[in-house]
Amino acid sequence: AQKITQTQPGMFVQEKEAVTLDCTYDTSDPSYGLFWYKQPSSGEMIFLIYQGSYDQQNATEGRYSLNFQKARKSANLVISASQLGDSAMYFCAMREREGGKLIFGQGTELSVKP
Amino acid sequence: DTEVTQTPKHLVMGMTNKKSLKCEQHMGHRAMYWYKQKAKKPPELMFVYSYEKLSINESVPSRFSPECPNSSLLNLHLHALQPEDSALYLCASSQVIRPGGAHYGYTFGSGTRLTVV
Repeated sequence: AQKITQTQPGMFVQEKEAVTLDCTYDTSDPSYGLFWYKQPSSGEMIFLIYQGSYDQQNATEGRYSLNFQKARKSANLVISASQLGDSAMYFCAMREREGGKLIFGQGTELSVKP
Repeated sequence: DTEVTQTPKHLVMGMTNKKSLKCEQHMGHRAMYWYKQKAKKPPELMFVYSYEKLSINESVPSRFSPECPNSSLLNLHLHALQPEDSALYLCASSQVIRPGGAHYGYTFGSGTRLTVV
């Protein structure tokens, strides 16, 4: 069965610095997708970035990049130049080919300090 | 603005009430989902609809009753809820999974914050 693990319940970062949020996963399916979502206190789940299991290059979206290490089964999110508005819960998620369910990790609460 | 619209945004209901949560999307997605989320926890899948048919029920109590009247609408009917059912209820939609199609993420609504008193 698929599993997503986020081992950092909470993190602090200084404004304008970079931060890495960890995510490891486990699956027996060779085809899968990895996603990061941001959830501010308002509740909406905001899609940030996607990495496919067959993608050769690490995904990037503006200030977000995904450090994908397939052999280690890790998909860490890197946020560059943190902003106060980045303070939120961040969830790593995975979707397998079969079943199609999106499964979430436990989340990391990021706080950006001015 | 989010492309998945949920109403109401907030709901307070008594344990004997009947209420409904509504979700609407116009992206042509044929899969729709209900998730329940407690504070500082990940969303937990409740139901999956694929082509307007219920495909997954994650052993949800019968006091939660989903309905998908058409490809754009998803309802969650609530009856005789308990205080522990208080949570954020998120609706999402996506393309239906196909072989090699693990790449479709979900688009989420803003959620309904439900309080059962």
